[in-house]
Amino acid sequence: EDKVVQSPLSLVVHEGDTVTLNCSYEVTNFRSLLWYKQEKKAPTFLFMLTSSGIEKKSGRLSSILDKKELFSILNITATQTGDSAVYLCATDTGNQFYFGTGTSLTVIP
Amino acid sequence: GAGVSQSPRYKVAKRGQDVALRCDPISGHVSLFWYQQALGQGPEFLTYFQNEAQLDKSGLPSDRFFAERPEGSVSTLKIQRTQQEDSAVYLCASSLRLGSPFPTDNEQFFGPGTRLTVL
Repeated sequence: EDKVVQSPLSLVVHEGDTVTLNCSYEVTNFRSLLWYKQEKKAPTFLFMLTSSGIEKKSGRLSSILDKKELFSILNITATQTGDSAVYLCATDTGNQFYFGTGTSLTVIP
Repeated sequence: GAGVSQSPRYKVAKRGQDVALRCDPISGHVSLFWYQQALGQGPEFLTYFQNEAQLDKSGLPSDRFFAERPEGSVSTLKIQRTQQEDSAVYLCASSLRLGSPFPTDNEQFFGPGTRLTVL
């Protein structure tokens, strides 16, 4: 059965902390892995990863994929209260998307 | 219990045909969302229901797109006179209740999507 598992389910940190969010997957015909930040209604696209070992960065956020061990991590350094959101991981198999249930991150001032 | 389900999983339509996409949310979830995701892009918000009430349809790209949730559970997204630019994955998500003071109530659970190809 295809699935995407994210951990932890929720996380509370203080401003300035660094966090690492995990996403493991078991899907057939893997094409890419995507990370989203979800606030209110619509998820915001963060990264799309297709190759192992190549880090993608955007400001304080970075992500990397390991296709051998079937996981990805999303790092956020120097967290801010505006980083509070649910972070979703999804895999695209070309036929459909599989979403994890997300990691809820709360950043306390 | 089961998660969010969508049907059909794949749909191929000829330009000009009407299509109907179905979403079965998680039982008890009040809020339901539709998104359109083009290849290599993030999901774009289309519309949102709270029970049977369509509270926000600001993302629907044209009047060819219509969504309903008449009994507050199953929802249908209908696209009339399909065009090639409508080709995308249509994602449905549900949550316990958007706007709840409890953060976990706002968490959205996504269905697998319907991949629509318009020829």
